[in-house]
Amino acid sequence: ETGVTQTPRHLVMGMTNKKSLKCEQHLGHNAMYWYKQSAKKPLELMFVYNFKEQTENNSVPSRFSPECPNSSHLFLHLHTLQPEDSALYLCASLELNTGELFFGEGSRLTVL
Amino acid sequence: RKEVEQDPGPFNVPEGATVAFNCTYSNSASQSFFWYRQDCRKEPKLLMSVYSSGNEDGRFTAQLNRASQYISLLIRDSKLSDSATYLCVVNMENDMRFGAGTRLTVKP
Repeated sequence: ETGVTQTPRHLVMGMTNKKSLKCEQHLGHNAMYWYKQSAKKPLELMFVYNFKEQTENNSVPSRFSPECPNSSHLFLHLHTLQPEDSALYLCASLELNTGELFFGEGSRLTVL
Repeated sequence: RKEVEQDPGPFNVPEGATVAFNCTYSNSASQSFFWYRQDCRKEPKLLMSVYSSGNEDGRFTAQLNRASQYISLLIRDSKLSDSATYLCVVNMENDMRFGAGTRLTVKP
């Protein structure tokens, strides 16, 4: 049973659509992450938020726009995506004392 | 050079075998190190942290060599349930970077 919840679990969108991925954690963590996992590629760090402030943007294209309204919620806004953006998008929160990342089950995105 | 590099795998071993995974990292300022496990179509989960003095958890032993920027994971007496992808993770100031993972299949 994960303490990090992601919605939707599956999303299919066209290249002209605008959609958002949502992540919610009730673990009391203050650092949250977006990762991208494509087939046969390593997990790619996209964004890091510490105490609601973005501290890392790993050269992610502007068609991905993160938002962190509070320490429990993280969004990834998507617009004018490309088919190569199809992947599993994983959200995680960090337990600072142990350094353990707690992942959600991911949102599987398909861009047509 | 990739930030975190792992053995490409895959590793296919019989039950009861001992298997070792290696990982190297490029940033000498990295602060903490971990092994995660990811089952097929599941999210990654922490397997164990890696300490400078080396640490053991049952059949699993992790080692860190800061001078060589090298991390290892040893699995003894492999079980069928150990089949998964093992991910090396390196942390610097909460920037958590993952290796590509090594796929392990343990066969009867």
